[in-house]
Amino acid sequence: GAGVSQSPRYKVAKRGQDVALRCDPISGHVSLFWYQQALGQGPEFLTYFQNEAQLDKSGLPSDRFFAERPEGSVSTLKIQRTQQEDSAVYLCASSPPLAGASNEQFFGPGTRLTVL
Amino acid sequence: LAKTTQPISMDSYEGQEVNITCSHNNIATNDYITWYQQFPSQGPRFIIQGYKTKVTNEVASLFIPADRKSSTLSLPRVSLSDTAVYYCLVAGGSYIPTFGRGTSLIVHP
Repeated sequence: GAGVSQSPRYKVAKRGQDVALRCDPISGHVSLFWYQQALGQGPEFLTYFQNEAQLDKSGLPSDRFFAERPEGSVSTLKIQRTQQEDSAVYLCASSPPLAGASNEQFFGPGTRLTVL
Repeated sequence: LAKTTQPISMDSYEGQEVNITCSHNNIATNDYITWYQQFPSQGPRFIIQGYKTKVTNEVASLFIPADRKSSTLSLPRVSLSDTAVYYCLVAGGSYIPTFGRGTSLIVHP
């Protein structure tokens, strides 16, 4: 694939519904990041995977947020019992094997979640 | 995590050179400085990265003084399509990059 893809691009949920957001990273990229971006703000770190291992989930705002990457490629961010404050753009990024913050991250277009 | 400070917004005109300065006083020895560009409804896109002195690519230049407590992104001869938000990040020792609010650059005709 040409780049990181995310689906769906837009998601509208009623408060209390569960949602699942998908990220397809660039093939061969070891590191995968999830970010939350509120309107007018910069992306905020949520969680980080190296292959299938979730090495850091310190940015997840509550236990309603859960991320997985079971086979070390595709990742899913799940939000249970959505609240209005969850409305944001959720960005996924991947990095090549020489992982680390000093390396370039390739971002997907994001999923815009609106909770009514 | 190293904190960065950059102007919230800047205005320029087509054809001008734009310099955006970022302060990062508590940068660590193993930290790199990275700049990203973000257009509306898109994810951020890597522009340039450096450790010290000057780095230049086909898009921009990055100037880093010896003390590394600041850096300046230079965009030569901007066009309308350079209107975007520009983020300065400092990371390396920690893999968690901190984006901040970025600088919103508006290029006028």
